[in-house]
Amino acid sequence: DAKTTQPNSMESNEEEPVHLPCNHSTISGTDYIHWYRQLPSQGPEYVIHGLTSNVNNRMASLAIAEDRKSSTLILHRATLRDAAVYYCILRDELDSSYKLIFGSGTRLLVRP
Amino acid sequence: GAGVSQSPRYKVAKRGQDVALRCDPISGHVSLFWYQQALGQGPEFLTYFQNEAQLDKSGLPSDRFFAERPEGSVSTLKIQRTQQEDSAVYLCASSLKGLGRTRQETQYFGPGTRLLVL
Repeated sequence: DAKTTQPNSMESNEEEPVHLPCNHSTISGTDYIHWYRQLPSQGPEYVIHGLTSNVNNRMASLAIAEDRKSSTLILHRATLRDAAVYYCILRDELDSSYKLIFGSGTRLLVRP
Repeated sequence: GAGVSQSPRYKVAKRGQDVALRCDPISGHVSLFWYQQALGQGPEFLTYFQNEAQLDKSGLPSDRFFAERPEGSVSTLKIQRTQQEDSAVYLCASSLKGLGRTRQETQYFGPGTRLLVL
């Protein structure tokens, strides 16, 4: 399986934008890029996913590099409730398994 | 609407005890997953059900781990003769469709059961 690399931790100030990077240099053409986040004492929750084009939803934006070897999750205005571990996960469209393969993720600290 | 629920939320077991962890997926969801999350790590896949059929149990760490979903809804993860290395958070997730459908489906996670084996 293609792997992802994320920084262990990042810090942000409240109400400022946050850019969470993810490297996936061995991504295949059929890999979708998914982001989940895990708030303290909760299970992971879906944030966003994309294949090639940038994506926006109510939670965040996903910017995908043209060569698809990296992507960035963008929180436009961080709040204290966004403090969580953010996981960048690749899901192969051709893979018969539905399991999610999590790495260690990026722990985001939001300062008030 | 109701999300995925798990019970108990916390379980303390003595080494050697058997434990049973319950998962109630979102109603109508075909797929159900169990994951194990050690402290400070990301979740790791244990097993997958499509309705009542266990189609993938490749992540179960030993034959002490057993999962079932007899009526295609509620699932139970059982751990026999618990050991200290079994201490972890056990997460259940469900998704609407099964194999052969879109593989990009969202998985909805429960809050987890934190198991501590003494």
